[in-house]
Amino acid sequence: EAGVAQSPRYKIIEKRQSVAFWCNPISGHATLYWYQQILGQGPKLLIQFQNNGVVDDSQLPKDRFSAERLKGVDSTLKIQPAKLEDSAVYLCASSLERTRGYNEQFFGPGTRLTVL
Amino acid sequence: GENVEQHPSTLSVQEGDSAVIKCTYSDSASNYFPWYKQELGKRPQLIIDIRSNVGEKKDQRIAVTLNKTAKHFSLHITETQPEDSAVYFCAAPPKFNAGGTSYGKLTFGQGTILTVHP
Repeated sequence: EAGVAQSPRYKIIEKRQSVAFWCNPISGHATLYWYQQILGQGPKLLIQFQNNGVVDDSQLPKDRFSAERLKGVDSTLKIQPAKLEDSAVYLCASSLERTRGYNEQFFGPGTRLTVL
Repeated sequence: GENVEQHPSTLSVQEGDSAVIKCTYSDSASNYFPWYKQELGKRPQLIIDIRSNVGEKKDQRIAVTLNKTAKHFSLHITETQPEDSAVYFCAAPPKFNAGGTSYGKLTFGQGTILTVHP
């Protein structure tokens, strides 16, 4: 099966600029996650969608980060304005819908963001 | 929320040796414990997982053990090979609120850099 797609793969911007990332999950996967992975750390969940509704955005810096998942398929994550500490790999993952219990999360290749 | 601690942060072994990585978690209600492998510059991929109704699970050279009383679980890799070199992450689910759902949310450990020397 086709995997999770993300674009762009790399992005370099200056602080205070804005940037957007795109994710296309595996077909049929209702749950979509955006993670931030800072170098040398584990992925940290930013936001989780179930279909096109937000399930958890408790760790999303809402003053600068926003995300949407229109029609319950593709998703975009935006940062505006970017800060130096936003430099990281942004990973998108998807899984089958489960209200309780767990299914494997499939990760995309990530977008490496460098903020100068 | 869940607190997941992973040790060691780096692990260096000779080819053919065994490697063990341990994670502890804080929520006694947690019931699912996956391990992900991330090769340099690549995406994390699930290599094995265990649910709380069993104490051990094996898949060829890898195994995971779970001690619910002590709230820790470990990844065991036997007969290590250079291609096992990667960063390994454990994860655990957050605490459920009464009547709530998590929809598969996971908290990841800090990662272990495993290097297998030929």
